[in-house]
Amino acid sequence: QVQLQQWGAGLLKPSETLSLTCAVYGGSFSGYYWSWIRQPPGKGLEWIGEINHSGSTNYNPSLKSRVTISVDTSKNQFSLKLSSVTAADTAVYYCARGFLRAQSIAARPLGYWGQGTLVTVSS
Amino acid sequence: DIQMTQSPSSLSASVGDRVTITCRASQGISNYLAWYQQKPGKVPKLLIYAASTLQSGVPSRFSGSGSGTDFTLTISSLQPEDVATYYCQKYNSAPLTFGQGTKVEIK
Repeated sequence: QVQLQQWGAGLLKPSETLSLTCAVYGGSFSGYYWSWIRQPPGKGLEWIGEINHSGSTNYNPSLKSRVTISVDTSKNQFSLKLSSVTAADTAVYYCARGFLRAQSIAARPLGYWGQGTLVTVSS
Repeated sequence: DIQMTQSPSSLSASVGDRVTITCRASQGISNYLAWYQQKPGKVPKLLIYAASTLQSGVPSRFSGSGSGTDFTLTISSLQPEDVATYYCQKYNSAPLTFGQGTKVEIK
């Protein structure tokens, strides 16, 4: 059974860098799309970005200048860094995996999700 | 970027009712459309991919249709456990934008 377990700092000050890591247990790491999504309190889902099977990344244009997604295949982990955070970045952050192992965009739908991490930005 | 617009933003229906949620893309996305269910306080769950294919384990009362720019999610007979917010998401190209969500409640 595939499980995604995520962790990182839950309270940040404005201008700091958000850093989250997601570890994958019980399944292969290679050959999938890996995404980060966030959800401000009481609001909808916002896609942050993805890294695919070949290590290529795509980011939401609204966050692109501040976001880095990377992979450590030796540890079956992938990470999110978001720099220069403000109160507007306060949200629950989720990691997620494409539902299918395939080198195709058809494999992008997010079939497995981490438990979510609430990140609060406050001075 | 392609925008995804869901309607309605919320609805209230009786148990057993047929419920339809619409998702419209600002440009054609073929059938690269997924639907997710998020119950209160829970993690989103994939319901449908490729616009109309039910994810394994999802009850058959859920169905999806559409292609191009207009898509629908239908619950054929609303159950109490279906109370949730439903999101569509395009995935033909980045950014993989979500719709704003439709909150479904029981009347």
